[in-house]
Amino acid sequence: EVQVVDSGGGLVQPGGSLRLSCAASGFTFSIYWMAWVRQAPGKGPECMATINPDGSEQYYVDSVRGRFIISRDNAKNSLYLQMNSLRGEDTAVFYCAKFGGRYYFDYWGQGTVVTVSS
Amino acid sequence: IVLTQSPATLSLSPGERATLSCRASQSISNSLAWYQQKPGQPPRLLIYDASNRATGIPARFSGSGSGTDFTLTISNVEPADFAVYYCQQHNNYYRFGQGTKLEIK
Repeated sequence: EVQVVDSGGGLVQPGGSLRLSCAASGFTFSIYWMAWVRQAPGKGPECMATINPDGSEQYYVDSVRGRFIISRDNAKNSLYLQMNSLRGEDTAVFYCAKFGGRYYFDYWGQGTVVTVSS
Repeated sequence: IVLTQSPATLSLSPGERATLSCRASQSISNSLAWYQQKPGQPPRLLIYDASNRATGIPARFSGSGSGTDFTLTISNVEPADFAVYYCQQHNNYYRFGQGTKLEIK
């Protein structure tokens, strides 16, 4: 059974940092693109960062480029998101998601809540 | 490429047919997916490549369209189907539409 479990969210002050983690199981993690998708309260999902199977390519949406870093450890079947210089507008539920094809996500974590507030 | 979903809210009774629309601002061929999201849960993949049902999705869910106009149809709405539905495309960072809320009439 495919499982994706994300963790690491919490309350952080503006300008602070946080590291999210995602533990994957039930599929061959090392051959799939993975992503972090966030969803602000009352809004639709937004894919912010993606990474290729061997971790050599990372892509970011403009709003987080230079502040967030996506990485993976295939030996541990794990995905990470290092978030720096956090802003109020980063407040959201963050999901780890597996690409099922070129663009769609077939498995999602349950989400971890990040709140940026003083 | 911008995705525009309509209507914003659809009010139906169980057993009725639901028709949800997603329009792209330019052609995206058949590269469109549909998701269902219930409160407190992650999105669930329903349809990919415009018309292919994902694993385990009931046959009452169907997708159609290509180019710029796409439709998600739920043939006989069941109580479990009341949720928010999003379309998603392959371009512009896999952008999602703003959602259609299917609510009980």
